[in-house]
Order: sequence, then C-alpha cells, then structure tokens
Amino acid sequence: GEDVEQSLFLSVREGDSSVINCTYTDSSSTYLYWYKQEPGAGLQLLTYIFSNMDMKQDQRLTVLLNKKDKHLSLRIADTQTGDSAIYFCAEGFPSGAGSYQLTFGKGTKLSVIP
Amino acid sequence: EAGVTQSPTHLIKTRGQQATLRCSPISGHTSVYWYQQALGLGLQFLLWYDEGEERNRGNFPPRFSGRQFPNYSSELNVNALELEDSALYLCASSWDRDNEQFFGPGTRLTVL
Repeated sequence: GEDVEQSLFLSVREGDSSVINCTYTDSSSTYLYWYKQEPGAGLQLLTYIFSNMDMKQDQRLTVLLNKKDKHLSLRIADTQTGDSAIYFCAEGFPSGAGSYQLTFGKGTKLSVIP
Repeated sequence: EAGVTQSPTHLIKTRGQQATLRCSPISGHTSVYWYQQALGLGLQFLLWYDEGEERNRGNFPPRFSGRQFPNYSSELNVNALELEDSALYLCASSWDRDNEQFFGPGTRLTVL
C-alpha cells in the first residue's frame, strides 16, 4: 500500500537552512510534491520533482530525491519567519485519463525562531 | 484569475445530520478532487470527479458521496455524520491531463 512518512515538527533559527525529510513506500509514483499550508489557508504547491530526477532547485528551495532509499527532502535556504508553516510531502500516482491522485504525509510543522 | 473556492468556510453539525460542502474549481479545470484532513491523520484522498463523473474514490464509506455539475463545480455530501468526520475538507482542481492540483482554503466541518 501507499504510505508517506514525515517527522511532525522542526524548529530552526532565522537565517539557517531547514531540511524537511520524507520517506515513501511505493516506487510506482510518478511525481513527488512539496506543499505548504499556512494557517487558515489551503495548500500551496511549492515544487515538484519527476521520479526520474535526483535534484531540483528553485530559488531558496532544493529538492533531493534518493530513489533507492525512497527518500525525499526539501531544503529551504536562509529560512525566514514567513516560512513558518506545515509542509506536506506527497506522491502522485496516475489515476487514468491523464490525471493524478496524490497520497500525502501527515505534514511537518516548521517553526522559525527569530 | 480566481483560485479554487470552497463554501462554507466553517460548518457545525450534530451527529446523524447531513453535511453538504461546495467547491468551485479554477476556470477551465475539469477535474475536482476532495481530501479530508483530520487531526493527526494527515491528508486522505476522498474522491475524484472529472467531466461530471466519479473516476476514483479513496477508502471511505459510501456515506461520503458527491457529484460534479456541468460547470465543473462539485459538491461533497456526508450523510449520517459521526464525530470522527470532524476535519478540514480540501478541494483541489486540475486541468485534465495535467498533474498539478491547486487547492482551495478548505471547509472546516465540526460534528458535535
């Protein structure tokens, strides 16, 4: 079955780097995603990586994928107080008709200490 | 461009009642997904509608149902509410044949 695991909490000091880790069990996923959820808001797609890639960088965000260990990480450089949120890792599986069904982890709450 | 919208923002019901949640996708999106975010359980996939039809459903009992209208908006109905149905219900939409799902702000359902 599909299972996505994340640690529940992470605290970092402002200006440091944050690394949020995620492990998944199903190797048939096509895409892996990172979503951000701020209080009272819906999920915001931060970035995603195709399952045959090892790394993707987008400004302060770096996604690393280790397919062998089924491990995904999100690194946020120069973490700011505005980065405080819950971060969800998700796997995307083709659902037929060209669309994708997502399976989410429980989310990692990132707290940034000023 | 307006994002995914959901209504109501909050909904309070008692056990045994029925709840109806609504979602309007981004203009041009034909796929609508429903997710349940219960405390401590993370996000669970509920239902996927595309072109007016239910295409897939997650591991939820039949009292969770819905529909998609010709304008691609969607309703989620939860019958015979139970206390554990209290959760944030998120709707997402996507273009057909596109992998990116855009999420609405959610409806917080509280069952007393």
